[in-house]
Amino acid sequence: GAVVSQHPSRVICKSGTSVKIECRSLDFQATTMFWYRQFPKQSLMLMATSNEGSKATYEQGVEKDKFLINHASLTLSTLTVTSAHPEDSSFYICSAREGKDRGRQPQHFGDGTRLSIL
Amino acid sequence: LAKTTQPVSMDSYEGQEVNITCSHNNIATNDYITWYQQFPSQGPRFIIQGYKTKVTNEVASLFIPADRKSSTLSLPRVSLSDTAVYYCLVEAFGSGNTGKLIFGQGTTLQVKP
Repeated sequence: GAVVSQHPSRVICKSGTSVKIECRSLDFQATTMFWYRQFPKQSLMLMATSNEGSKATYEQGVEKDKFLINHASLTLSTLTVTSAHPEDSSFYICSAREGKDRGRQPQHFGDGTRLSIL
Repeated sequence: LAKTTQPVSMDSYEGQEVNITCSHNNIATNDYITWYQQFPSQGPRFIIQGYKTKVTNEVASLFIPADRKSSTLSLPRVSLSDTAVYYCLVEAFGSGNTGKLIFGQGTTLQVKP
């Protein structure tokens, strides 16, 4: 089956640090990748959608200069949380979809990154 | 923009069949319905997807009535390991579609021995 690898699984760092999270589709080419944020006992909140080779589309209220997304190839997207602060602490999850037909292909999710900013 | 509504929680016992219903009253013609399962501190996992009528795979069935304003995920003979949060997601298909992806609050299923 389609596998999405997300790395690192957990990050603990000091306030002001920038953190990069990688999302890789291991056995398929991901035309579209998504980045979500999830707070404890809450649902997933879509942050941005990225298509290979183009700029990411950010959801309303998500600062694009704060959360830098790069989708440089069909198998890799990265999310960089710049100058992270304690309020950025959360569970970040990526997903990838194969092909351009959005609804017919389900999203395949990584196992998430637990980010803790001290 | 198809918003989904699910029960917040459900309890069941091992070996029982569990049905979780999701309401999506303003589903559009191009929308598909997808169900995901999420365990704590993990990403969601795809369970099943459908457009209309009934879909069955090795782990679940999905029932969608003719008006498509709701859908029901059916888990046959649940076990303790099925304890998780279940999300239904309505997504539009078609290249270039810019419909939003909004996960509802999900249903927390607790399976008891």
